[in-house]
Amino acid sequence: AQKVTQTQTSISVMEKTTVTMDCVYETQDSSYFLFWYKQTASGEIVFLIRQDSYKKENATVGHYSLNFQKPKSSIGLIITATQIEDSAVYFCAMRTIYGGSGNKLIFGTGTLLSVKP
Amino acid sequence: EAAVTQSPRSKVAVTGGKVTLSCHQTNNHDYMYWYRQDTGHGLRLIHYSYVADSTEKGDIPDGYKASRPSQENFSLILELASLSQTAVYFCASSAGTGGTGQLYFGEGSKLTVL
Repeated sequence: AQKVTQTQTSISVMEKTTVTMDCVYETQDSSYFLFWYKQTASGEIVFLIRQDSYKKENATVGHYSLNFQKPKSSIGLIITATQIEDSAVYFCAMRTIYGGSGNKLIFGTGTLLSVKP
Repeated sequence: EAAVTQSPRSKVAVTGGKVTLSCHQTNNHDYMYWYRQDTGHGLRLIHYSYVADSTEKGDIPDGYKASRPSQENFSLILELASLSQTAVYFCASSAGTGGTGQLYFGEGSKLTVL
């Protein structure tokens, strides 16, 4: 079975610090894509960053980076120098290429990040 | 300019009534999806489509139908709305299977069934 698990329901940090959000996944496929999305207070869902399973280098976009540990089936999201506007719900998601799931994304339950001044 | 637009953005329906949520995309994407969001469950896939005039069941299709009359349009239909279908519904699109599968979401439609 394919599954994405985010165990951290909520995290609270002080502004300008670094935060890591955890995500573990289950898949039988040898090739897959992992995503992080952000849902703002208005409800908008936006794509943040992607990790391709065949790449060893951790993806980085702006102040977002990933900690991809393939042997542990783990893909953590790291936000450095957090800002108030980073307060949102963060979703981890996985897309598998094979295994009959087609072009579908499976989502975790999300982590609510609160950044305090 | 929003590439995935949903209507209505908010709707109150009565139990047993029919509800249609519409989605339009200008991304020229093959795939379109309907997800449901509930607190504590994240986003769950209801139906999806990879070509016009064809739809596929997702993970929670019971109580929902879908229609894809064209590449740009994808509707979610609740023939007999129930209280348990109160939720926020998101439409999304993505490129074909040759792409990464990245989703582009609409703004969401909040449905309240009374």
